[in-house]
Amino acid sequence: TAGITQAPTSQILAAGRSMTLRCTQDMRHNAMYWYRQDLGLGLRLIHYSNTAGTTGKGEVPDGYSVSRANTDDFPLTLASAVPSQTSVYFCASSETASNNSPLHFGNGTRLTVT
Amino acid sequence: GEDVEQSLFLSVREGDSSVINCTYTDSSSTYLYWYKQEPGAGLQLLTYIFSNMDMKQDQRLTVLLNKKDKHLSLRIADTQTGDSAIYFCAESRSDYKLSFGAGTTVTVRA
Repeated sequence: TAGITQAPTSQILAAGRSMTLRCTQDMRHNAMYWYRQDLGLGLRLIHYSNTAGTTGKGEVPDGYSVSRANTDDFPLTLASAVPSQTSVYFCASSETASNNSPLHFGNGTRLTVT
Repeated sequence: GEDVEQSLFLSVREGDSSVINCTYTDSSSTYLYWYKQEPGAGLQLLTYIFSNMDMKQDQRLTVLLNKKDKHLSLRIADTQTGDSAIYFCAESRSDYKLSFGAGTTVTVRA
């Protein structure tokens, strides 16, 4: 089924370690996004990419980095994890970075930082 | 996000109508969205409404928009157990990014 694939599904990570969350889409969408979901806070945008080769900061970018070397892949890296980064991370894409282009979401990565 | 507010929980009896309310702050929002999240899954787009519309109906779903009060609602008719999920309201911002509410957990009881 076409869509967004995220890996891993879940991970337990020791504080101070680094990790890359993977995201791949096969819809040839131009825009991609990383959100974190926390209880009572909804979804908050971490980083985004309007098109391959460009990235931008969202609401909560500190402690995270992204790259967009090609259209399909948008990995999210935690350089040195801290417990406050315990969350569920969702990758999303949209055909274009415009208001009438709905988001398509992956199934998420549940990350626990101990 | 704090720009979009919605109540956290709603309990409804099977067969009744559910109404989920949302308020937003950006008067320039052109599109407002409702997403559904089932357990262990990502968000799926349910429906959306353009800001120049007052109402949109799609089968069991009715979206009402009061732009003056910046109030959006989602009505689900004949609520079923499969409608149990978290429902997120989202507004489009001037930078084309979406701002999400905290989500309303809908529980359908028999």
